[in-house]
Amino acid sequence: GAVVSQHPSWVICKSGTSVKIECRSLDFQATTMFWYRQFPKQSLMLMATSNEGSKATYEQGVEKDKFLINHASLTLSTLTVTSAHPEDSSFYICSARDQTTNYGYTFGSGTRLTVV
Amino acid sequence: AQKITQTQPGMFVQEKEAVTLDCTYDTSDPSYGLFWYKQPSSGEMIFLIYQGSYDQQNATEGRYSLNFQKARKSANLVISASQLGDSAMYFCAMREGYNAGNMLTFGGGTRLMVKP
Repeated sequence: GAVVSQHPSWVICKSGTSVKIECRSLDFQATTMFWYRQFPKQSLMLMATSNEGSKATYEQGVEKDKFLINHASLTLSTLTVTSAHPEDSSFYICSARDQTTNYGYTFGSGTRLTVV
Repeated sequence: AQKITQTQPGMFVQEKEAVTLDCTYDTSDPSYGLFWYKQPSSGEMIFLIYQGSYDQQNATEGRYSLNFQKARKSANLVISASQLGDSAMYFCAMREGYNAGNMLTFGGGTRLMVKP
């Protein structure tokens, strides 16, 4: 079945530094990928939709200059949290769209980011 | 208005018994898809079952079945013969339209706890 690899699984960084999270579709091509954020005991909130070769579409309230998304190939999308602050600490999870089926939304295993 | 509503924040079920997790949705699009995902404590999102709005039959996948009541706009998940490993968060999600780039919108989730 479709597999999405997300790295790193967890990361601790200092305030003010940047962190890059990678999301790769391993056995299918994903024109579209989605980035979600999940706070403890809450649901997944969509941050942005990433389309290969074009600019990402950000949800209202998400700072595009802070959360940089690059989808340079059909198998890789990256999310960079720039100038991270403690309030950016969260669980970030990507989903890649496998267009061969109606239900093809495969998720990565998520990245737990802690900013200290 | 909430597009996906899960009214049960938490539920207990005895091992080997069946349990129903509720989900109601709101959309004016005649074409939509409904999903259920399981999220264990590790954070990964595990796809369980999918129901398309035009599907005549209720979806089933092993011990999982989806009770799709279109007129009531409900898509309840039924887990038969609960196992201890079923303890997790469960999320209902919806995709409106069949455009490949359409995102999933998630409900607030239900935490299921299976008692031995």
